[in-house]
Amino acid sequence: AQKVTQAQTEISVVEKEDVTLDCVYETRDTTYYLFWYKQPPSGELVFLIRRNSFDEQNEISGRYSWNFQKSTSSFNFTITASQVVDSAVYFCALSEATDSWGKLQFGAGTQVVVTP
Amino acid sequence: KAGVTQTPRYLIKTRGQQVTLSCSPISGHRSVSWYQQTPGQGLQFLFEYFSETQRNKGNFPGRFSGRQFSNSRSEMNVSTLELGDSALYLCASSGDLSPGANVLTFGAGSRLTVL
Repeated sequence: AQKVTQAQTEISVVEKEDVTLDCVYETRDTTYYLFWYKQPPSGELVFLIRRNSFDEQNEISGRYSWNFQKSTSSFNFTITASQVVDSAVYFCALSEATDSWGKLQFGAGTQVVVTP
Repeated sequence: KAGVTQTPRYLIKTRGQQVTLSCSPISGHRSVSWYQQTPGQGLQFLFEYFSETQRNKGNFPGRFSGRQFSNSRSEMNVSTLELGDSALYLCASSGDLSPGANVLTFGAGSRLTVL
């Protein structure tokens, strides 16, 4: 069963618009971690943010912010004032403490296209 | 400091051949994980090594194997290649905090094409 669902396949925006990426996850573990990674055309996955299951505090880091809600099993990610360099595929991922050495369960990814 | 280095970056093989991919982790990282990325299946976990021991394994056939050396460098091998093995193979390394908490740093990948 899919444990991480990213329903948006592609989002296209004009530069300076905000972009919100949705992520819904499924787990029975009480201890788990959620991640967002970015994959630019070069192919290398770049770590953006991590939250653990016990910390629902939402934060802002530069132009990035995230909204973690355990009640709805969602971990959404927002890019504020998008730039062309933000164009990439964004992956949400889940790591469960019970089966997690090196193992991230990724969503299908959301392609973000930012045009000038 | 140097990132995760994967070699070769690109390679082409034919069905039935075997291939070996190499990964050098970030200095000081002892955990190395491997992932396969395809358009159809997305990113899938292959296996993870720590201190030369396989600690976790994904759902792949036995044709996929790996190993880790004492300097933490890792190799993965795919034998009897099939067309469906065409993919981007990503290696990642991490420190060893606690299960699930580790942030994986990925390499640029090895793109394998099987003809």
